[in-house]
Amino acid sequence: KAGVTQTPRYLIKTRGQQVTLSCSPISGHRSVSWYQQTPGQGLQFLFEYFSETQRNKGNFPGRFSGRQFSNSRSEMNVSTLELGDSALYLCASSTGQDNEKLFFGSGTQLSVL
Amino acid sequence: GESVGLHLPTLSVQEGDNSIINCAYSNSASDYFIWYKQESGKGPQFIIDIRSNMDKRQGQRVTVLLNKTVKHLSLQIAATQPGDSAVYFCAENYENRDDKIIFGKGTRLHILP
Repeated sequence: KAGVTQTPRYLIKTRGQQVTLSCSPISGHRSVSWYQQTPGQGLQFLFEYFSETQRNKGNFPGRFSGRQFSNSRSEMNVSTLELGDSALYLCASSTGQDNEKLFFGSGTQLSVL
Repeated sequence: GESVGLHLPTLSVQEGDNSIINCAYSNSASDYFIWYKQESGKGPQFIIDIRSNMDKRQGQRVTVLLNKTVKHLSLQIAATQPGDSAVYFCAENYENRDDKIIFGKGTRLHILP
């Protein structure tokens, strides 16, 4: 079956703009997690959605938000972009059970100029 | 701060030799551990996992060892191949953890010809 799909693959924005990233999980998976990956901080957990509800949240400012649709597809939004938001944003899906491996997409590389 | 870390940021191994990548974790409540491999331009890919009721688990060419006494995890790759070049992340979780799976910063594995 198809893997996790993230769009777009690359994105260039300027400071102050906002951006929306999209993630389609593996068919049948109801949990979608978002991570930010940077060379300095590694993989940092943003939030997790399960059945259209945010179930877990990491330590990111309110400028970072997300949502999940009834078909389990998820979007994350970053408003008022800052230079430090430049990163690879990874989406991962799972069935949502505890202690379960995540399946990652290839990510969206966001550059903020 | 990070509850999972790695002893070495970079590891160089001769092709055909065995590779050992180490990871330390600090949360004694962690009961599920995962190794991921990330190749350039791709998202992390699941390699192998282990639960805390085990101390060893083997896959194809890979073995994960868990020492709960010293909170240490290792990934052994047998007969390392050029295709094993990647960044390897250990990750940990425990049931009901609010911020889901936490990743270490990663070890880059270089394969020498």
